[in-house]
Amino acid sequence: QVQLVQSGAGMKKPGASVKLSCKTSGYTFNSLDINWVRQAPGQGLEWMGWMNPKSNNTGFAQKFQGRVTMTSDTSSTTAYLELRSLRADDTAMYYCTRGQRGFPNYFDYWGQGSLVTVYS
Amino acid sequence: QSVLTQPPSVSGAPGQRVTISCTGSSSNIGARYDVHWYKQVPGTAPKLLIYGTNNRPSGVPDRFSGSKSGTSASLTITGLQAEDEADYYCQSYDYMLSGSWVFGGGTKLTVL
Repeated sequence: QVQLVQSGAGMKKPGASVKLSCKTSGYTFNSLDINWVRQAPGQGLEWMGWMNPKSNNTGFAQKFQGRVTMTSDTSSTTAYLELRSLRADDTAMYYCTRGQRGFPNYFDYWGQGSLVTVYS
Repeated sequence: QSVLTQPPSVSGAPGQRVTISCTGSSSNIGARYDVHWYKQVPGTAPKLLIYGTNNRPSGVPDRFSGSKSGTSASLTITGLQAEDEADYYCQSYDYMLSGSWVFGGGTKLTVL
């Protein structure tokens, strides 16, 4: 069965970086995009960006451009999200999701989430 | 402020029917992009509920249905059950936002 298992959560200081992992299994990793979605405490869902493991192409929401990197390792079928220059308002649960083909793509499987807390 | 607008909350008694609206604009829902819906029980990851405006993934009961007209979409739940109490989010795509997937602000469904 398809699974996305996340790791890399933690507490960070303002200005630091965080790198989250999303280990996938149960499907052909190269065949579909991985998207990242975050959710601040008590708030709604916010799409951050996508990456294609086969082409390494990426696309980001405007507010994250310049501060985010999305990569993958096809040998371990793992996707990564790195967010730099962390601020207090980056405190959120971060989810990786599989992007299933649609018009637009939809997110059919989700990781369990990684909690990032930015504190001073 | 979300690109897609949902009511903050709706409620209904067991067995009743409720509808959650999702209002967009000409650059997203009105541009004929499909709408997808997710259910999120607090403390857990979102789960796909409806895709392609009105398709249910395997395992989702047919009590859940979706529709779209113009710049708006709706999620309808019939035969409301206690386990339907959750947050619901609509999602689409907006071509004016440098190609971005967009979510509604979410609707809290309370089963009375």
